Amino acid sequence: DSGVTQTPKHLITATGQRVTLRCSPRSGDLSVYWYQQSLDQGLQFLIQYYNGEERAKGNILERFSAQQFPDLHSELNLSSLELGDSALYFCASSLRVGEQFFGPGTRLTVL
Amino acid sequence: AQKITQTQPGMFVQEKEAVTLDCTYDTSDPSYGLFWYKQPSSGEMIFLIYQGSYDQQNATEGRYSLNFQKARKSANLVISASQLGDSAMYFCAMREGIVTGNQFYFGTGTSLTVIP
Repeated sequence: DSGVTQTPKHLITATGQRVTLRCSPRSGDLSVYWYQQSLDQGLQFLIQYYNGEERAKGNILERFSAQQFPDLHSELNLSSLELGDSALYFCASSLRVGEQFFGPGTRLTVL
Repeated sequence: AQKITQTQPGMFVQEKEAVTLDCTYDTSDPSYGLFWYKQPSSGEMIFLIYQGSYDQQNATEGRYSLNFQKARKSANLVISASQLGDSAMYFCAMREGIVTGNQFYFGTGTSLTVIP
């Protein structure tokens, strides 16, 4: 158990809908990272937050947004969902640069 | 050009033997970090080891070591004394701009099978 929690574990929704994925980092970790893993595109970095501020932005679509709250939990919002958004979404947290602790992931299925 | 290249889609190793998983990277940024992750069939992602571009010594974490050859731009993962539980997908990744905070790039992964 990495200490990072993600909810929900599974999510099934329809095209055009909006969903919110939630991540709670390990206690004391200030950085939260979001990744997408799909069969088509492999693993992709979406975005990083550090202590509430956006720190780095990867291949995150405009339909997606994220934020980190004062209690350091983070949410990834996916809107106008398309079939291609079906993927495993990981959150990871860290305190230092050379480490990452992953949550169990949220499997999103868009029908 | 690919930022991270893993040329071995699949590898087999006998239990208790050592195995090297290859990873080459491409960057012109002097400040970068290299990561290896393990993903078992259960789907979880496990961080294994990290090497910073300015680190003088190769990183080691238990049975994992990173063979960092900066001039060749390679960051191979060495697993010693393979165990059945090492069977998994292994991903190499790079983060450019450690200080400024830039993107992560992932390789396509290597599937390792440990044979009893």
